[in-house]
Amino acid sequence: ETGVTQSPTHLIKTRGQQVTLRCSSQSGHNTVSWYQQALGQGPQFIFQYYREEENGRGNFPPRFSGLQFPNYSSELNVNALELDDSALYLCASSRTSGAQETQYFGPGTRLLVL
Amino acid sequence: QQQVKQSPQSLIVQKGGISIINCAYENTAFDYFPWYQQFPGKGPALLIAIRPDVSEKKEGRFTISFNKSAKQFSLHIMDSQPGDSATYFCAARPTGGGNKLTFGTGTQLKVEL
Repeated sequence: ETGVTQSPTHLIKTRGQQVTLRCSSQSGHNTVSWYQQALGQGPQFIFQYYREEENGRGNFPPRFSGLQFPNYSSELNVNALELDDSALYLCASSRTSGAQETQYFGPGTRLLVL
Repeated sequence: QQQVKQSPQSLIVQKGGISIINCAYENTAFDYFPWYQQFPGKGPALLIAIRPDVSEKKEGRFTISFNKSAKQFSLHIMDSQPGDSATYFCAARPTGGGNKLTFGTGTQLKVEL
């Protein structure tokens, strides 16, 4: 186990609703990245937080937003849910940002949008 | 747009055989190439990684071969075991891209007895 935990494990929402997913990073890690993994696909980078600031974003619309807290845990918020948002959402933590740091992934939150 | 292409999509290998998964990238500004292993219901776990200044890296039964001029890299699993049955992803990190990883589409490996 990596020490990265995510909650909830599963979630069902309806189109148009809002959702908040949570991630606790591994001890000693100050960087958290979020990825979306659609069924049968590789993870897609959403954004990264380093010391409570967003410092990198993938090709996702602004309705995907996040937060990182002083203890380096993080939240992913998705507004105005669409059917295509159904996916496994993965959180990954690392000691710091860049320099080929190993990312440790949590087990993910599986979101189903109906 | 997909910048890392992975093949094959699925692979069946006999126990003791060699599993080979290939990836090709388009962006030359990648500086780190990890491979991840993912079991059902789990997040991806780092298996082995290589930098572009190295042509080969071996860790136990797992070897990465890297061809910078061809922009290709591959994972070889020697003496494949049923416990290796999982989905494997190659990935690449852009230079200066923080921890952003661009993943391939994955290869579902099944090792049969």
